Amino acid sequence: SFELTQPPSVSVSPGQTARITCSADALSKEFTYWYQQKPGQAPVLVIYKDTERPSGIPIRFSGSSSGTTVTLTISGVQAEDEADYYCQSADSSGSFSVVFGGGTKLTVL
Amino acid sequence: QVTLRESGPALVKPTQTLTLTCTFSGFSLNTSGMCVSWIRQPPGKALEWLARIDWDDDKYYSTSLKTRVSISKDTSKNQVVLTVTNMDPVDTATYFCARRVIAIGSLDYWGPGTLVTVSS
Repeated sequence: SFELTQPPSVSVSPGQTARITCSADALSKEFTYWYQQKPGQAPVLVIYKDTERPSGIPIRFSGSSSGTTVTLTISGVQAEDEADYYCQSADSSGSFSVVFGGGTKLTVL
Repeated sequence: QVTLRESGPALVKPTQTLTLTCTFSGFSLNTSGMCVSWIRQPPGKALEWLARIDWDDDKYYSTSLKTRVSISKDTSKNQVVLTVTNMDPVDTATYFCARRVIAIGSLDYWGPGTLVTVSS
């Protein structure tokens, strides 16, 4: 089955750049999406279609893709960015299953 | 303004069937390209996608749970219903519903979630 792998944790100091990777175990034709989730809250979409930013999401959030790895970059990290981040894609083999990565806890030191 | 809200029992016993309702506003499941998905999250763990229903009544299920999960819609009430049979303590989780627009692909609006505990 299609899987997405994220690092369990990433730590950065305020003002630095955080990069969170999401690696697929196979080359998928599907786009990747990123969600931010703070404790006790529902996830919030921060990047769609690999690189697009929804309205209302700060410009410091960006996405990129290379081969089977996609990356969420947060430039100039702020304390309010501390959260869990999940990547999401879909199995393009025909099952239409939506797949989430295991999540990455971003800690702002 | 798009909103979704989950409702259902907070506690179910093992082997029982769970029925959850997602009530939404701000969009219609009669509109081409609109979909609603269910996702769950066990305490302290990752998100897990369960099922999706589309405007044309197409349905898709997680391969690992497809024998236990069913999804349906009532467009007149703006509701989507999820049932999960044979509940087990490992099914304890917060259950979310979320909107998906085919053209965008992402889950762009989420409900706040509802915690379901499976215990005797």
